[in-house]
Amino acid sequence: EAQVTQNPRYLITVTGKKLTVTCSQNMNHEYMSWYRQDPGLGLRQIYYSMNVEVTDKGDVPEGYKVSRKEKRNFPLILESPSPNQTSLYFCASSFRPGLPGANVLTFGAGSRLTVL
Amino acid sequence: GQSLEQPSEVTAVEGAIVQINCTYQTSGFYGLSWYQQHDGGAPTFLSYNALDGLEETGRFSSFLSRSDSYGYLLLQELQMKDSASYFCAVRSSTDSWGKLQFGAGTQVVVTP
Repeated sequence: EAQVTQNPRYLITVTGKKLTVTCSQNMNHEYMSWYRQDPGLGLRQIYYSMNVEVTDKGDVPEGYKVSRKEKRNFPLILESPSPNQTSLYFCASSFRPGLPGANVLTFGAGSRLTVL
Repeated sequence: GQSLEQPSEVTAVEGAIVQINCTYQTSGFYGLSWYQQHDGGAPTFLSYNALDGLEETGRFSSFLSRSDSYGYLLLQELQMKDSASYFCAVRSSTDSWGKLQFGAGTQVVVTP
């Protein structure tokens, strides 16, 4: 089944304790991206990657890091989480521009993160 | 930069038609997308308009007017399962293609 898999789905952690949210897709998509969703604010893009080793900032990158060492994986790293990073996080992927389906994002199920 | 505006909530009865408007301000524009999200779930793709006009997919249609910087999603023959949040999203052509911005979402409530 074609899908985007995120882990963990739920996490409660404490301020300053580094954590990584993994994202993996099995559709051979070049493009991957991370979003956070907060009530009333919709989805805000954190980082995106156009291909392996190519990453760039979205609208709200502060406090986050990403890496894209393999095509299928795009982990989101919170080096020193703070309470304002408590949110619902989504990973998504698609084909690169110019290919059919480039504008169809497939989302993971979401990771609900609470930072105390 | 870019910003998108859409109504926060729309309520309608089963069988009715609902139109969700999305206005955007962006310096350059690739196209307008729509996504549906049920409570607690992942957003799912509904439609994409790159050109002006109406795109129809079953009970849902999406419209774009580039000259008016405006689009809408039309939900026909509303069903209870259509109760969800709907988001419009744009990519600015003056920015990287990879950068995508979403509206704050419109919650559609369908009543019996």
